[in-house]
Amino acid sequence: SQQGEEDPQALSIQEGENATMNCSYKTSINNLQWYRQNSGRGLVHLILIRSNEREKHSGRLRVTLDTSKKSSSLLITASRAADTASYFCATLQTGANNLFFGTGTRLTVIP
Amino acid sequence: EAQVTQNPRYLITVTGKKLTVTCSQNMNHEYMSWYRQDPGLGLRQIYYSMNVEVTDKGDVPEGYKVSRKEKRNFPLILESPSPNQTSLYFCASSFERSLTDTQYFGPGTRLTVL
Repeated sequence: SQQGEEDPQALSIQEGENATMNCSYKTSINNLQWYRQNSGRGLVHLILIRSNEREKHSGRLRVTLDTSKKSSSLLITASRAADTASYFCATLQTGANNLFFGTGTRLTVIP
Repeated sequence: EAQVTQNPRYLITVTGKKLTVTCSQNMNHEYMSWYRQDPGLGLRQIYYSMNVEVTDKGDVPEGYKVSRKEKRNFPLILESPSPNQTSLYFCASSFERSLTDTQYFGPGTRLTVL
């Protein structure tokens, strides 16, 4: 399966600390996307990184992509309690028409 | 307001009773999709559509039907629901058929099949 896998499954940090979560996948991709989901609610798109890009920033978010290792990381700097959510990576396999989602990382930011 | 809407948001039904979950988007998006989310399994795609009258199976299409008669609507039909279809369902849409941009998700429909 193309499904990505996030690591760790759960992460608990203090407010103000940085949070890093990783995503690994299995085959070549067109792009990789990160989404956030607050408990039981719809997913919100955070950032998209294309296969020819290595790093992207958006506010306190930094995403890296290493296609040789088939992995990506999402860094949230200076975390806030409001960042508490589940984070998912999704990959668009080369030549495919649909996204494959990982199982997510549950982030808890303690005030 | 640009959004994806789903109805109903919550539904409890019994095995075998046909149901439809509606999905509508007001952003003139080409691509629409249905996912189900189950604990420990993440999101799995059920069906997707790249244009009107064009639909394709995703990872877990068994027991589901869809239609795309209009660009804005993409209903999910369960002809004979079973308890293993108890799940949280999300509709999503994207402007680009190629999925090279953002997907917008609906608020979810929590379905329980008894």
